[in-house]
Amino acid sequence: DAKTTQPPSMDCAEGRAANLPCNHSTISGNEYVYWYRQIHSQGPQYIIHGLKNNETNEMASLIITEDRKSSTLILPHATLRDTAVYYCIVRVRAAGNKLTFGGGTRVLVKP
Amino acid sequence: EADIYQTPRYLVIGTGKKITLECSQTMGHDKMYWYQQDPGMELHLIHYSYGVNSTEKGDLSSESTVSRIRTEHFPLTLESARPSHTSQYLCASSRSTGLFADTQYFGPGTRLTVL
Repeated sequence: DAKTTQPPSMDCAEGRAANLPCNHSTISGNEYVYWYRQIHSQGPQYIIHGLKNNETNEMASLIITEDRKSSTLILPHATLRDTAVYYCIVRVRAAGNKLTFGGGTRVLVKP
Repeated sequence: EADIYQTPRYLVIGTGKKITLECSQTMGHDKMYWYQQDPGMELHLIHYSYGVNSTEKGDLSSESTVSRIRTEHFPLTLESARPSHTSQYLCASSRSTGLFADTQYFGPGTRLTVL
């Protein structure tokens, strides 16, 4: 699976959009971009994934650049409950299909 | 929200005890996984299963064992707990989607403390 690079932390004001960047310059053609988050002491929560088109669901939007070397997760209206560590992962089907989480971005939503 | 459950949520137990951590999912997923995570650290895959009667060891060596007798159930057992087993154990499941990576859904985790 391709390596990803994310900023270690960022703050966001409650009610504003949070834009979380992720670089994955070595991504290959059959690798998807996945986003998970982990709120303190809880299991990781799936947010969204995409291959090359932008995606949107009830939680977030995912914008993938045309060359697929980077992406941005957008939380449109951040709430205090969105405070968590956000992980960007790129992956293909592999033995066991394990998830490998890097350092992630620690997002703190402030009132 | 994903329908995957883990019990107990918290367990404090003495050294040498046998314990079983339960994991069940009601989504009909064929694949299930056990991860171990220490506070602030990354996930480590310790066991996975592709379906009934299929179990494999993950990347991190673990003294635990698993079984998959029913699709929805994937318990993890420690025959003799030790303080080094103190950690959070996370269960996940996914549905095979063919060529590309599946989306894994996680349970709430079991925080185990061995005294």
